[in-house]
Amino acid sequence: SQQGEEDPQALSIQEGENATMNCSYKTSINNLQWYRQNSGRGLVHLILIRSNEREKHSGRLRVTLDTSKKSSSLLITASRAADTASYFCATWGSTLGRLYFGRGTQLTVWP
Amino acid sequence: ETGVTQTPRHLVMGMTNKKSLKCEQHLGHNAMYWYKQSAKKPLELMFVYNFKEQTENNSVPSRFSPECPNSSHLFLHLHTLQPEDSALYLCASSGTANTGELFFGEGSRLTVL
Repeated sequence: SQQGEEDPQALSIQEGENATMNCSYKTSINNLQWYRQNSGRGLVHLILIRSNEREKHSGRLRVTLDTSKKSSSLLITASRAADTASYFCATWGSTLGRLYFGRGTQLTVWP
Repeated sequence: ETGVTQTPRHLVMGMTNKKSLKCEQHLGHNAMYWYKQSAKKPLELMFVYNFKEQTENNSVPSRFSPECPNSSHLFLHLHTLQPEDSALYLCASSGTANTGELFFGEGSRLTVL
């Protein structure tokens, strides 16, 4: 399957701590993206990293990509209660229009 | 506000009903998508339209019928659904079908009785 798989399935931390979520995939990709979803809402795009990039930053987000291991990680630094949401990785392969999502990591940040 | 609007937000229907979900994007994009999100399952890509042409039908049952009259509007016509079709249906758009970032609507929560 080309779908990404996030790990862990659930993560619970205190405000101020860092949250790290991992994603593994099985086939070659053009890019990998991370999305966030608040309960019962649509997905919001967070960051995109291309296959020739190794690390990318956006505000409190840091994404790494290791194509040799077919894995990516999303780090949220100094987490806040408002970061509580589900986080999904998605891989864009070679087939037109096919963006594959994993099951997501449910992050809970306690105040 | 993501620029992608879905209506209705909630829909309850019987198995013999016919209803439609509507999606409209105000972003000038040329690709639109339907995804199905069920509990504890990965998002399932259902259909992809690129410049109004369907480029992907991911083995979706014929009781789901998409329609894309123009690049800004996408419909999902529903008829004789099953209870297992209850899910959150998400519409998304992107510049074209080979560009990266998707913009999602808030979803239509469908319950089939």
